[in-house]
This record gives sequence, structure tokens and C-alpha cells, in this order.
Amino acid sequence: KAGVTQTPRYLIKTRGQQVTLSCSPISGHRSVSWYQQTPGQGLQFLFEYFSETQRNKGNFPGRFSGRQFSNSRSEMNVSTLELGDSALYLCASSLESPPNTEAFFGQGTRLTVV
Amino acid sequence: KQEVTQIPAALSVPEGENLVLNCSFTDSAIYNLQWFRQDPGKGLTSLLLIQSSQREQTSGRLNASLDKSSGRSTLYIAASQPGDSATYLCAVPADKLIFGTGTRLQVFP
Repeated sequence: KAGVTQTPRYLIKTRGQQVTLSCSPISGHRSVSWYQQTPGQGLQFLFEYFSETQRNKGNFPGRFSGRQFSNSRSEMNVSTLELGDSALYLCASSLESPPNTEAFFGQGTRLTVV
Repeated sequence: KQEVTQIPAALSVPEGENLVLNCSFTDSAIYNLQWFRQDPGKGLTSLLLIQSSQREQTSGRLNASLDKSSGRSTLYIAASQPGDSATYLCAVPADKLIFGTGTRLQVFP
């Protein structure tokens, strides 16, 4: 059974550009959550999608957006990149929306903004 | 508001020692608690999930316990190995996962 797949693994972008990250959940899982991890702030919740609907959103500016497709694959987009957006972006896959479900994470996408 | 803390923040031990990592949470009304391992620059690997109705969960050399009334969970690692070196995170679900700050473990030969 394939795990959670995130692409690409590494990205280098310039300030002001935009970027799209992809997450393919475990087969049969309908919930995908996104987290940002930085050394100073730890793991911060971005948003959660379930069956193509955003169910929950963290405290991030509107430059951060996401969507989920009918096959449960999810993308997140960051526009007008800032240096502070450099981070490891992780997605989590689960059968159902939190809280009563187990989460499985991908390997992450390391985004560096220069 | 649920808050999760982990102590110690870092731990360095010789190979073969038995270890206890601690996780505390402020709101005891939880559905479950999940322990993860993270290697540097990598994603999170799920180690154990304890349901709120359970007291313990075991996987190989790992044993996790849960005491909801006291707001605590412990992760016990038996006979530690250098390959156990990583950061260990506990997480409690609400409408999202709420993570502790982690324990960075180093096991030296």
C-alpha cells in the first residue's frame, strides 16, 4: 500500500514568485491536511480538505490557498512568496477529518525562498 | 484551548538504555493521542496511536501509555539503538493535530 506522496521534494524560488505543491494521499483516504514546519514556529496548521471541501483553516494570510480534487489529491499554492515562507511543508492523509482518525504524513516539500 | 508540551526537549544517552519521553496536554477530553518520529529534514512517521479508551499501546521496542485524567502520555523505548536518534513528537487531535514541541533524542554507540 503506497504511502503519502508529496512532490516536489525540494524547491527553490525567488521572492515574489508563486509555487504549487502537490500531495497524493493514501488510497481510500479522503482527508488531506497541510502543515508548515519551521525551526522557530514548529508545526503550524494551514488547512484541511475533505471530499473537495475545505473544512478547516489555520491562521495564515490569503497568499496561502489550497484545493482538493475528486481523486483526493490536494495542492497548495503560495503566491507572492516571501523569505519567511521558507519551510518544510508537510501533508497528512487520513480516512476521515480529525479528530477521531489516524494521520499519516508524507516526506514533505522543502521550499527555499531566496 | 488545548496545549501540548513535551519534556525533556533533548536527550542524549548511550546505546542500550531504556528511555521515557513525556507528553502533557491540558484538555483531557481527547479522542486519541499519536506519537510520531521525525528524522532531520524528513516527514513524520507515525509510531503509535492510542485511543482514549486505551491505557497502553505497544509496537516492537516501543510502548506508549495514556492517562487522560492526569493529561499525560509517555513513550517508552526499550534497549535504545543509534538508529532511534530522531525527534519524537506527540500530537492530540482537535479540528487539527496539535503538536508538542518535540524531544530530540540522540543515542550514541
